[in-house]
Amino acid sequence: KNEVEQSPQNLTAQEGEFITINCSYSVGISALHWLQQHPGGGIVSLFMLSSGKKKHGRLIATINIQEKHSSLHITASHPRDSAVYICASHDSGYALNFGKGTSLLVTP
Amino acid sequence: DVKVTQSSRYLVKRTGEKVFLECVQDMDHENMFWYRQDPGLGLRLIYFSYDVKMKEKGDIPEGYSVSREKKERFSLILESASTNQTSMYLCASSLLSGWEGYTFGSGTRLTVV
Repeated sequence: KNEVEQSPQNLTAQEGEFITINCSYSVGISALHWLQQHPGGGIVSLFMLSSGKKKHGRLIATINIQEKHSSLHITASHPRDSAVYICASHDSGYALNFGKGTSLLVTP
Repeated sequence: DVKVTQSSRYLVKRTGEKVFLECVQDMDHENMFWYRQDPGLGLRLIYFSYDVKMKEKGDIPEGYSVSREKKERFSLILESASTNQTSMYLCASSLLSGWEGYTFGSGTRLTVV
């Protein structure tokens, strides 16, 4: 089973800061997801990527297949970005393997 | 807007009760999943289904069963609820590939007293 590790576990940033969340996995994958979960809320898919880089607004996700590593970047962070960010790998079969999440707090 | 809908947002049940958690998707997805989410443990797969009447055990199936009689509906059943099943339960669906179109429901927070 793919081991998915995220760092940091908790992150506090001031509004406007550039934020990076890291994800590493142990075996080759078909795709990697970045997910967002607000307190008490459901999970929203931010990105699905299998190579390179994707950008959506202030969010950027990159993946390095050879190094088995992905990063999620948030530019010009805002308090509404406060949430838990989860990476999840799809290696084989149907289900995802999840990291334990990074809890982000952006203060004004 | 495509959706995965879970029937209850919050649920409180007594120990020993039989509990049904319902999940419906309107995207014609082949795959449906039930996860539970606990602090420090992340999301863990309970059961999944890749077709009507088909089911596969996930990582933590003990104490649970599932039913998929129609493509759009996937039910999680706690045969005899116990306090260690107090958790957030999340349903998800995806296309047959397994990773495309992955969509989560809003979750059901179940408390067993």
